[in-house]
Amino acid sequence: DGGITQSPKYLFRKEGQNVTLSCEQNLNHDAMYWYRQDPGQGLRLIYYSQIVNDFQKGDIAEGYSVSREKKESFPLTVTSAQKNPTAFYLCASSTQGVSNEKLFFGSGTQLSVL
Amino acid sequence: GQSLEQPSEVTAVEGAIVQINCTYQTSGFYGLSWYQQHDGGAPTFLSYNALDGLEETGRFSSFLSRSDSYGYLLLQELQMKDSASYFCAVKGNAGNMLTFGGGTRLMVKP
Repeated sequence: DGGITQSPKYLFRKEGQNVTLSCEQNLNHDAMYWYRQDPGQGLRLIYYSQIVNDFQKGDIAEGYSVSREKKESFPLTVTSAQKNPTAFYLCASSTQGVSNEKLFFGSGTQLSVL
Repeated sequence: GQSLEQPSEVTAVEGAIVQINCTYQTSGFYGLSWYQQHDGGAPTFLSYNALDGLEETGRFSSFLSRSDSYGYLLLQELQMKDSASYFCAVKGNAGNMLTFGGGTRLMVKP
């Protein structure tokens, strides 16, 4: 079955450490996105990518970095510069580039600080 | 910028009808979407309205009034499994990205 796979499901970060969240899709979608969700809150866009080797900052990109070397993969690195990283991170993808309103989401990664 | 307002919580009984409202402010407007998210799960797409009026999909319907910058999600014949958070989202001129509201937590009681 096609879908989006995020790993790990739970991740713990130590002070000053960079951690990378994985996102892989086999839907052949052009666009991919990373959202952050805090408890009881909506989704805020961190980064998005329309095509391979291209990505743009979203509303809350500071302290995060991404890469898009393959169409299927869009990993997110939470750097030590992100002082409040504890949140639920959701990866999504869509067809027809960023103009498509229907996003397909992965099951998320819960990141916590030790 | 873009902002959306929706109630934080709604409670209803099984079998009833519930309406979740969403008002938005956006520079440019392409459409209003609705997503459902169960606790700890992934959001799933429910509906999209680009034009004024009502769109019906089974027990769920979504309405849009562009002149009022307002929309709602209508859930009929509520079931316990409908207990979840519901998010409205708009696409405006900001790079055609979706901006999400804070979500409405729906609790369905027996």
